[in-house]
Amino acid sequence: DVKVTQSSRYLVKRTGEKVFLECVQDMDHENMFWYRQDPGLGLRLIYFSYDVKMKEKGDIPEGYSVSREKKERFSLILESASTNQTSMYLCASSSRTGVPQETQYFGPGTRLLVL
Amino acid sequence: DQQVKQNSPSLSVQEGRISILNCDYTNSMFDYFLWYKKYPAEGPTFLISISSIKDKNEDGRFTVFLNKSAKHLSLHIVPSQPGDSAVYFCAASATRFGATNKLIFGTGTLLAVQP
Repeated sequence: DVKVTQSSRYLVKRTGEKVFLECVQDMDHENMFWYRQDPGLGLRLIYFSYDVKMKEKGDIPEGYSVSREKKERFSLILESASTNQTSMYLCASSSRTGVPQETQYFGPGTRLLVL
Repeated sequence: DQQVKQNSPSLSVQEGRISILNCDYTNSMFDYFLWYKKYPAEGPTFLISISSIKDKNEDGRFTVFLNKSAKHLSLHIVPSQPGDSAVYFCAASATRFGATNKLIFGTGTLLAVQP
């Protein structure tokens, strides 16, 4: 079974803090993704990575950065947290050679509250 | 611009009856479609998918129908069970474009199955 884990289920941070969200997958997947889920807006892609040290912007990258130093780990960084970044953050991974390739496997999510 | 639309935010169905969840898309380059199910405080889990070369795919109680000319797909759950109560996300991918397998998600439909 594919397992995607996220470092925290719940986080409370102050405005202006630097926030790190960690994601680890154990299936040797090449692709990793960070989404945020907000009511009425569905899942929106923040950043994704298709290889170690590679990253590409998704649809809403502003205010975020990412790091992928190892294949199994993908970190999302909020450089200076703001209240509009209060959300559910979801990490996912997928295999470039999987069948079907498009299936992404999600972690349990981190609910972040920025005060 | 929302490329994948789920126009019904919620749906209520009696146990044992059919649940039909709908999804429309605008991008004709999409050629692979997936449905995910999400319980509160959990990550989405993959449910069923369909390639654009097919018009139907069935897996147990779940069937996905694709109407390419109408750019419409639907998920049928028969019979519906209380454990099916969750948010359902439709997602689409244009697999011909790159190896990153980006998915575009709809806004979700909350299904409530009443006992």
